[in-house]
Amino acid sequence: DIQMTQSPSTLSASVGDRVTITCRASQNIYSWLAWYQQKPGKAPKLLIYKASILESGVPSRFSGSASGTEFTLTISSLQPDDFATYYCQQHYRYSTFGQGTKVEIK
Amino acid sequence: QVQLVQSGAEVKKPGASVKVSCKTSGYPFTSYAVNWVRQVPGLGLEWVGWISAYNGITHYAQKFQGRVTMTTDTPTSTAYMDLRSLTSDDTAVYYCARDRAMDTVSPDPLDGWGQGTLVTVSS
Repeated sequence: DIQMTQSPSTLSASVGDRVTITCRASQNIYSWLAWYQQKPGKAPKLLIYKASILESGVPSRFSGSASGTEFTLTISSLQPDDFATYYCQQHYRYSTFGQGTKVEIK
Repeated sequence: QVQLVQSGAEVKKPGASVKVSCKTSGYPFTSYAVNWVRQVPGLGLEWVGWISAYNGITHYAQKFQGRVTMTTDTPTSTAYMDLRSLTSDDTAVYYCARDRAMDTVSPDPLDGWGQGTLVTVSS
């Protein structure tokens, strides 16, 4: 199975901060990676797919990048609505999620 | 608009089975595969499996092989997940979610989700 290691598990930040979350795959998954945002009591929401393509309707402050087996989700200027938990998902071979990163208010 | 509406919460005893339904609308049912993802309360997301709504081909996470069966019913545009031999570790919210792309042969990013079904396993 492909393992996805996400870090950090928790991140404290303020409105306006630049935030970076990392996900590392246990083997090459090319660009078959997606990012999701989940708020308490709600289903996840797709933000980015193919490592860097923004899903329709997602604000441009969200971006994704890749370098080898390391993937990054960046929020350029954190907004109040962005405090949530974020997950990466590989779908190169079946599917695996990272453990999640909770972005909380500093 | 794309909608996935799941069946209601279930309480089961250890060793029992549960069948969760996911009724879809707003898109051509057989063109998009359905995934099942679960989340233990307070913890992360875990992929359970995938089913093609076109031909019924399934892919299950190894952890659930032999214990889960996913099916679809085209006339009602509904997907089902049947999980057997339940233990307390199976207590979780189970989500159905649609592949983003049409006509996939394996899991894809998930762009439409059900509201979740809480399955509680307790004696």
